[in-house]
Amino acid sequence: DGGITQSPKYLFRKEGQNVTLSCEQNLNHDAMYWYRQDPGQGLRLIYYSQIVNDFQKGDIAEGYSVSREKKESFPLTVTSAQKNPTAFYLCASSLKPNTEAFFGQGTRLTVV
Amino acid sequence: AQSVTQLDSHVSVSEGTPVLLRCNYSSSYSPSLFWYVQHPNKGLQLLLKYTSAATLVKGINGFEAEFKKSETSFHLTKPSAHMSDAAEYFCVILFNKFYFGSGTKLNVKP
Repeated sequence: DGGITQSPKYLFRKEGQNVTLSCEQNLNHDAMYWYRQDPGQGLRLIYYSQIVNDFQKGDIAEGYSVSREKKESFPLTVTSAQKNPTAFYLCASSLKPNTEAFFGQGTRLTVV
Repeated sequence: AQSVTQLDSHVSVSEGTPVLLRCNYSSSYSPSLFWYVQHPNKGLQLLLKYTSAATLVKGINGFEAEFKKSETSFHLTKPSAHMSDAAEYFCVILFNKFYFGSGTKLNVKP
C-alpha cells in the first residue's frame, strides 16, 4: 500500500532530551512537510523540503531540525531547545510543491 | 496576503440533518482550495479539492463544496449527517504554501 508512515504513534521524552520522529513515504513525492498541531491552533508549519538534500524553515522552526538525505524519508528532531514540545506532530507529502498534501497518522509527543 | 477563516469552531447537528461548515478565504490570486477531515488522534484525510475547474466540487462520503469567488467562500455541505461524520474539519488554501484554517469540530447527535 502506498502512503505515509509516521512512527512511533506515541512518544514520551524527558526534559532535556532530543528525540527524533520518523516519517517515511512510498508515494514518490518530491515535497515533504512537518506540522505541529496544538488544540485550537490549527496546523503550524515547522519545516518543509521540496527536493532531496534541501529544506527550508517554516513558521515555527526554532528548537527543531530535519534532514532529507533520501527522497522517501524526512525525520524531525525535537531538540532540548524547544521550550514546549508536547504536541501532535503531522508529516505530509505532496507530489510537487504546489499540489495537494497527503498526511501521515501523526505522532503524539509528550514531555514528562 | 493569504488567509483562511473558518467561521465556526464548533457545529452540532442531529443525525440525518444537513451539515454546513463555513470557510472564507483571502487571497490576492486564485488559490487551490481543499477540505480535510481529521478524526481524533489521526492524520488529515483529503475530502475534496477545488483547482479552478467546476465551482461545485464533490468529495468523498457525500460531502461537497461550492467555490464562490464573489463571496471568497468555500463552504462544505452534506445533505444528511451520519454519526461517523463527527470529526474536525479543516479548510485549506494553497498558494505557494498551505494555509490552514483553525478547524471546525462537528458533533453529530443521535
